[in-house]
Amino acid sequence: SQTIHQWPATLVQPVGSPLSLECTVEGTSNPNLYWYRQAAGRGLQLLFYSVGIGQISSEVPQNLSASRPQDRQFILSSKKLLLSDSGFYLCAWSALVLGSYNEQFFGPGTRLTVL
Amino acid sequence: GDSVTQMEGPVTLSEEAFLTINCTYTATGYPSLFWYVQYPGEGLQLLLKATKADDKGSNKGFEATYRKETTSFHLEKGSVQVSDSAVYFCALSPNAGGTSYGKLTFGQGTILTVHP
Repeated sequence: SQTIHQWPATLVQPVGSPLSLECTVEGTSNPNLYWYRQAAGRGLQLLFYSVGIGQISSEVPQNLSASRPQDRQFILSSKKLLLSDSGFYLCAWSALVLGSYNEQFFGPGTRLTVL
Repeated sequence: GDSVTQMEGPVTLSEEAFLTINCTYTATGYPSLFWYVQYPGEGLQLLLKATKADDKGSNKGFEATYRKETTSFHLEKGSVQVSDSAVYFCALSPNAGGTSYGKLTFGQGTILTVHP
């Protein structure tokens, strides 16, 4: 069966410090991968998605970047955090089945607080 | 573009009450529809799905029917429990094959609180 991991689970960082959040998926090959941010415990904002190694698409301009160094690894980074980067970060994956994508499967999330 | 609209929350119910959370969508073609649930401090879990018109998704006592004529996918449960307290998200996938890249369109979420 497939599983998705995120770490760390929680993180408190000062403004201006760097960031690296990691997401890995097990039990599937060549998944599409997604990073979301959730503010105020409600709506989801898609930040990045990736359809393959080294292929990153950004959905919104921001202080963050993403990389996919391996098939099942997705990393969210920042060189200098802003207060507005605080939030709950979710990684998700989906697979192409019979020519279509359907549901996404989410990781447990990382709670980031920037002080 | 595609969009999903959920009823405004929060929704507060007593245990064993009937639950309905409305969801309507705008999309071209024949999207797949989903309900996700998020418990406090956790990621989203797929609750149920429907991939074509008139399909009924069901899981853990929750049900939703894909109504193409009304472009709706309302979530229902006959008797809620305290443990159902969570945020519920309606979402759609355009079923545009590889060109959609699997991106989902989410509603804004509905907070449900169930009291004993």
